[in-house]
Amino acid sequence: AQKVTQAQTEISVVEKEDVTLDCVYETRDTTYYLFWYKQPPSGELVFLIRRNSFDEQNEISGRYSWNFQKSTSSFNFTITASQVVDSAVYFCALSEVTGNQFYFGTGTSLTVIP
Amino acid sequence: GAVVSQHPSWVICKSGTSVKIECRSLDFQATTMFWYRQFPKQSLMLMATSNEGSKATYEQGVEKDKFLINHASLTLSTLTVTSAHPEDSSFYICSGGLRGLTDTQYFGPGTRLTVL
Repeated sequence: AQKVTQAQTEISVVEKEDVTLDCVYETRDTTYYLFWYKQPPSGELVFLIRRNSFDEQNEISGRYSWNFQKSTSSFNFTITASQVVDSAVYFCALSEVTGNQFYFGTGTSLTVIP
Repeated sequence: GAVVSQHPSWVICKSGTSVKIECRSLDFQATTMFWYRQFPKQSLMLMATSNEGSKATYEQGVEKDKFLINHASLTLSTLTVTSAHPEDSSFYICSGGLRGLTDTQYFGPGTRLTVL
């Protein structure tokens, strides 16, 4: 079974619109870590955020914000006032303490149209 | 954050040849290194995990005789694709981490392999 599900395969928005990328995860561990990465066309993964399972506070960093809801096992990512440079594939990932690997979602390809 | 480099960044080779990809942790000692493969428009798939000084652990479906992994030092791991075929063409990404710490995995920039 998929441990990380990103149901949105592709999203297109017009510049300056807000967009939310969904991520739902599955784990039996009580301690785990969640991540978001951006992968632009160059291919290099860009780290965006890490959240541990005990910290349910939402986080805002500039135009980016993250909503972590343990009750629904979701870790959604919102980009406010999107820009063309935000166009990329975004991956959500889970890391469990009991293992030693990352589980990546299938990614959401975001296109911001000027 | 910690830096991981990969060399080469891209490589084109003929079918049947072997290709070696290097992964280096530049400013930290990576006791564990991971190798991923990513096909176009797909997610990263873990190929193998290697701990320094020991044999790599391969994921199900990954041929260990075809994808040779060596992790001889705390700063260098290599992936050799032996007798490469066009279906091996992919984007290969390595990452370095510290054993037992699953929240610290630093990714390299990737190597794009094209087998003609």
